[in-house]
Amino acid sequence: DGGITQSPKYLFRKEGQNVTLSCEQNLNHDAMYWYRQDPGQGLRLIYYSQIVNDFQKGDIAEGYSVSREKKESFPLTVTSAQKNPTAFYLCASSIRTPGGRSEQYFGPGTRLTVT
Amino acid sequence: AQSVTQLGSHVSVSEGALVLLRCNYSSSVPPYLFWYVQYPNQGLQLLLKYTTGATLVKGINGFEAEFKKSETSFHLTKPSAHMSDAAEYFCAVSGFIEGGGADGLTFGKGTHLIIQP
Repeated sequence: DGGITQSPKYLFRKEGQNVTLSCEQNLNHDAMYWYRQDPGQGLRLIYYSQIVNDFQKGDIAEGYSVSREKKESFPLTVTSAQKNPTAFYLCASSIRTPGGRSEQYFGPGTRLTVT
Repeated sequence: AQSVTQLGSHVSVSEGALVLLRCNYSSSVPPYLFWYVQYPNQGLQLLLKYTTGATLVKGINGFEAEFKKSETSFHLTKPSAHMSDAAEYFCAVSGFIEGGGADGLTFGKGTHLIIQP
């Protein structure tokens, strides 16, 4: 059964701690993405990766870091520098097409709460 | 550059009534357009998409959308609402990214659909 898995579903951390969110896909997609979702603000792109060992900043990359050592995995680290980390985080993937105009497939999300 | 505007952050309809969720876009190139649905505390699921060809596209769960270039719109409709349609709906546009690769999906802020019994 192909798809995207994110773990854990709910994550709680103390302020000042780094935390890493997991994202794994078995769809054989080249491109992967991380979005942050806040109420009333839609989805905002944090980072994306087109191929292994390459990634680009999105619109709100400050306070976040990523790695792409394997095609299947794209973990996101929320660092202590992120001023307001409490949010719902969504991972997505897509195939690479000329012009990059393919739909994205989403994981179930991780809700991070920092207190 | 591209952008998406979804008119109405909340839309309420009665069960059995027509559902109409509005989406207007801007894009410097012929767009690809998508509608996604999100149930509480879940990821996004693709409802339907327009790429090229027929401007009326049908999706899952009885939804359809019509691409109108002259109006730069891609409104989502369903003839008869069900209670199970209550969810958040997102419109997205994909423009052209130089060199290909990761697409430039831009999402609207979403419309929360409420179904009244």
